[in-house]
Amino acid sequence: GAGVSQSPSNKVTEKGKDVELRCDPISGHTALYWYRQSLGQGLEFLIYFQGNSAPDKSGLPSDRFSAERTGGSVSTLTIQRTQQEDSAVYLCASSLSLAVEQYFGPGTRLTVT
Amino acid sequence: QQQVKQSPQSLIVQKGGIPIINCAYENTAFDYFPWYQQFPGKGPALLIAIRPDVSEKKEGRFTISFNKSAKQFSLHIMDSQPGDSATYFCAAFGGAAGNKLTFGGGTRVLVKP
Repeated sequence: GAGVSQSPSNKVTEKGKDVELRCDPISGHTALYWYRQSLGQGLEFLIYFQGNSAPDKSGLPSDRFSAERTGGSVSTLTIQRTQQEDSAVYLCASSLSLAVEQYFGPGTRLTVT
Repeated sequence: QQQVKQSPQSLIVQKGGIPIINCAYENTAFDYFPWYQQFPGKGPALLIAIRPDVSEKKEGRFTISFNKSAKQFSLHIMDSQPGDSATYFCAAFGGAAGNKLTFGGGTRVLVKP
């Protein structure tokens, strides 16, 4: 079956612009996660959604970052007023439930110039 | 605060050798420990995972050893092949630590032909 998909695969934006990154989880997966991978760094948790529960936003680095999940499926991560330090690969993952394997998408490489 | 420490940062072995990657965690609330393999330009792919009630788990050429009392776990790649050249991440999940993966910093493995 289809895996997690993300779009766009690459995004170049100017400092100060807003960007939206999209994630389509595996069909039927109730949990969805966003992570960030900076160059040469590990993966950093940003936010997760589980069903209709309030999202865990504890990993969002600033109030410029927000995410929503519509209809329990597609999610959009929005970064407002982008800064150069926002340059990274943004990864989305989904799972059937909270306590099982997470499956990652290919990521969106964001470059802020 | 880094809760999962991974070593070494990089590793070079000859084909057929056994790369060993070590991870240590601090939070005893973690209850699920996956390893991910990541190739350049791709998202992390789940490789193998273990729960703390098991001391060892094998899947193909990949083995996890788990030492609960020491709060350490390791990945062994038996009979390594050039195609195993990738970056490997350990992670920890669950319990009171929250419903997200906490990743180690990653190990870049190069298997020479």
